Amino acid sequence: QSALTQPASVSGSPGQSITIFCTGTSSDVGGYNYVSWYQQHPGKAPKLMIYDVSNRPSGVSNRFSGSKSGNTASLTISGLQAEDEADYYCSSYRSSSTYVFGTGTKVTVL
Amino acid sequence: QVQLVESGGGVVQPGRSLRLSCAASGFTFSSYGMHWVRQAPGKGLEWVAVISSDGSDKYYTDSVKGRFTISRDNSKNTLYLQMNSLRPEDTAVYYCARRGIAAAGDYWGQGTLVTVSS
Repeated sequence: QSALTQPASVSGSPGQSITIFCTGTSSDVGGYNYVSWYQQHPGKAPKLMIYDVSNRPSGVSNRFSGSKSGNTASLTISGLQAEDEADYYCSSYRSSSTYVFGTGTKVTVL
Repeated sequence: QVQLVESGGGVVQPGRSLRLSCAASGFTFSSYGMHWVRQAPGKGLEWVAVISSDGSDKYYTDSVKGRFTISRDNSKNTLYLQMNSLRPEDTAVYYCARRGIAAAGDYWGQGTLVTVSS
């Protein structure tokens, strides 16, 4: 049960936009619109940022947006801020009623 | 407000057992599926298991099948993870998460650390 593939790190300057990609297969990302994104600060629990590919939970900044094309999902952070520095994980429903997370991406604000 | 509080972690020898609990409050526990997700030290998130709202359906990641059992007691608003035949590679922070608006979990607990070591 291999993890979804994410870049190990992405960086950007304050105010810039960055995009994190999450690549899976037709059995997970490409087959279902159940892609979520999580933000995790060191020593903290993950926080839901995007669900069902592109929906933002109440209280999450509109600087965060999600999309999907084929077997690849993406998370874009616009107007990068210092507090966005964290680890980000994608997740997807996978066939046979299981779930899978991405390998994780460390976002650094320069 | 939704609250999930894990407990039961600790240091355990390889081959032994441990049971984790997740106490839920602030929502109708019996209406939601629940997950266990773990994170080894310095590593990424790994989905472990999910249980349906009534406990009738349970699914596991391959590496824990036959060793771990997810269960729930809706009368006590509590989720459990029985972990048997523990291995050093099971060392991780274990989180419970509610299967709400996000399929893989919308609300998460703060986690409980399990260390498998002799």
